[in-house]
Amino acid sequence: EAGVAQSPRYKIIEKRQSVAFWCNPISGHATLYWYQQILGQGPKLLIQFQNNGVVDDSQLPKDRFSAERLKGVDSTLKIQPAKLEDSAVYLCASSLEGHSNQPQHFGDGTRLSIL
Amino acid sequence: QKEVEQDPGPLSVPEGAIVSLNCTYSNSAFQYFMWYRQYSRKGPELLMYTYSSGNKEDGRFTAQVDKSSKYISLFIRDSQPSDSATYLCAMTGSARQLTFGSGTQLTVLP
Repeated sequence: EAGVAQSPRYKIIEKRQSVAFWCNPISGHATLYWYQQILGQGPKLLIQFQNNGVVDDSQLPKDRFSAERLKGVDSTLKIQPAKLEDSAVYLCASSLEGHSNQPQHFGDGTRLSIL
Repeated sequence: QKEVEQDPGPLSVPEGAIVSLNCTYSNSAFQYFMWYRQYSRKGPELLMYTYSSGNKEDGRFTAQVDKSSKYISLFIRDSQPSDSATYLCAMTGSARQLTFGSGTQLTVLP
């Protein structure tokens, strides 16, 4: 079974520029998550999709971050404009359904550096 | 106070040692408890998944949950250099959102 695919693996941009990340979840997984992992910390949920609808985006900085999941499969996360504090690894995860007893499977993330 | 507290380490042990990793939490609504292993420059990989209190064993790994004390543990027996990684505890309740600890960095020396 193919895992969660993310691209690019690395991205370096200057502050105030924009950047986009892409995620393809495990086939058949209805729920998709985007997490931000700052160095030395655990992942923090940014947004959760169930199919192509948003379930939870309470911790997404909506003035600069946006995400979409068209057709309920792939998803993109965008940052515009980027700030220095956005330097982190952005992880995508998926699960069969968005229930507590369904484990989440993670991709290897996109490592973002802001100069 | 963070909802989930985890000793960041680093923890260094000789090969073959028993490793104990721990997390404490404050939210009594948490019911599902997980341990993830994260190698450098990789995503977290699910190791153990338990519901409510009790023990669960899988090979060299044992997960323990004590809800009365709000304390969870992961034990690794006969540790190997390939176990060297960061270990993240995670938990959730009815809200479905996972709350992670900050991770413990483990090095197993050959």
